[in-house]
Amino acid sequence: SQTIHQWPATLVQPVGSPLSLECTVEGTSNPNLYWYRQAAGRGLQLLFYSVGIGQISSEVPQNLSASRPQDRQFILSSKKLLLSDSGFYLCAWSPAVYEQYFGPGTRLTVT
Amino acid sequence: RKEVEQDPGPFNVPEGATVAFNCTYSNSASQSFFWYRQDCRKEPKLLMSVYSSGNEDGRFTAQLNRASQYISLLIRDSKLSDSATYLCVVNPSGTYKYIFGTGTRLKVLA
Repeated sequence: SQTIHQWPATLVQPVGSPLSLECTVEGTSNPNLYWYRQAAGRGLQLLFYSVGIGQISSEVPQNLSASRPQDRQFILSSKKLLLSDSGFYLCAWSPAVYEQYFGPGTRLTVT
Repeated sequence: RKEVEQDPGPFNVPEGATVAFNCTYSNSASQSFFWYRQDCRKEPKLLMSVYSSGNEDGRFTAQLNRASQYISLLIRDSKLSDSATYLCVVNPSGTYKYIFGTGTRLKVLA
């Protein structure tokens, strides 16, 4: 069966610090991968998606970036965090265009 | 107009009640539809896909109305454990993207 991992579960970072969140998927190959952010009390905002190694589509211009160095690894990064980057970051995978399955998420607080 | 719209609620219903949520979408070319459930401070979890012919899974029934561009979720015999936020999700045709509604909050009361 497929499993999706995200770490860390929680993170507190000062403004201006860098960020790296990692997501890995097990039990499948060539998944579509997604990064979402959910601000407190808000809906899910699609940040990036990838349909293959090295292929990244950005949905929202901001100080975040994503990379897919391996088939089942998706990384979200920032060089300098802003207060507005606080939120619940969710990674998801999908087998082609079907249901999405989410990881447990990373709760980021920028102070 | 938002791409996917849901009534935020909350819907407060007693145990055993039947409750229905609607979700409207703006892109008539949308091809895939889903309902997810999200508990407080947790990740969304797939509840069910929504097929053109409608589908049922136990106490849950999903319907799609392409002409009016909405999907619905019916929950029968509500349980306390059904309390959560229900997210409507639409996949526009020809894209890899999923558009999420902001969710409908359900509270089932004892």
